[in-house]
Amino acid sequence: ETGVTQTPRHLVMGMTNKKSLKCEQHLGHNAMYWYKQSAKKPLELMFVYNFKEQTENNSVPSRFSPECPNSSHLFLHLHTLQPEDSALYLCASSQGTSEIYTGELFFGEGSRLTVL
Amino acid sequence: GQNIDQPTEMTATEGAIVQINCTYQTSGFNGLFWYQQHAGEAPTFLSYNVLDGLEEKGRFSSFLSRSKGYSYLLLKELQMKDSASYLCAVRDEDYKLSFGAGTTVTVRA
Repeated sequence: ETGVTQTPRHLVMGMTNKKSLKCEQHLGHNAMYWYKQSAKKPLELMFVYNFKEQTENNSVPSRFSPECPNSSHLFLHLHTLQPEDSALYLCASSQGTSEIYTGELFFGEGSRLTVL
Repeated sequence: GQNIDQPTEMTATEGAIVQINCTYQTSGFNGLFWYQQHAGEAPTFLSYNVLDGLEEKGRFSSFLSRSKGYSYLLLKELQMKDSASYLCAVRDEDYKLSFGAGTTVTVRA
């Protein structure tokens, strides 16, 4: 139990579907992240939110739409995805993003997405 | 972009020692992390190095040489439960974290 909970754990969707991934952290952290993990590839940062404000969008296609209503919750809305978007999507949180923090990330167990 | 290299796979015997190397080329440096990820589970924090030298934490140790852009994670007295993927990550001058592709360690009886 890392204090970061992701739902659903598994999701299968068609290319025309609309679905959402949810992340909740119980650690009192101020920063939340979405990462994409594909087999044999480095973790790929997608979005960063700090105090509910998006501070980074790593050139992610618009078919991925993040939402951060408060510092404890993060969503990733999915629409008209492609088969190559199939991957493990990891949510993480940290105390903050500035230099005063070590930057240690606490990860959720991920949402395994399959796009047919 | 940032470049972080680590071996893809390593195999070792229970009770042995394994050293996972990580080399990096980044724009600036503000710390190096090692994470452990068991199959189907969340990555979990193992160690953090920001100064040169060795950090020891039980059976696991992590070493850093900033001048060489090099780190290693040392796993001693290997146990079957140590079979996992080990991720090296570096924080650059903008405090952004970049990950290597991970090293899958298989421990055999």
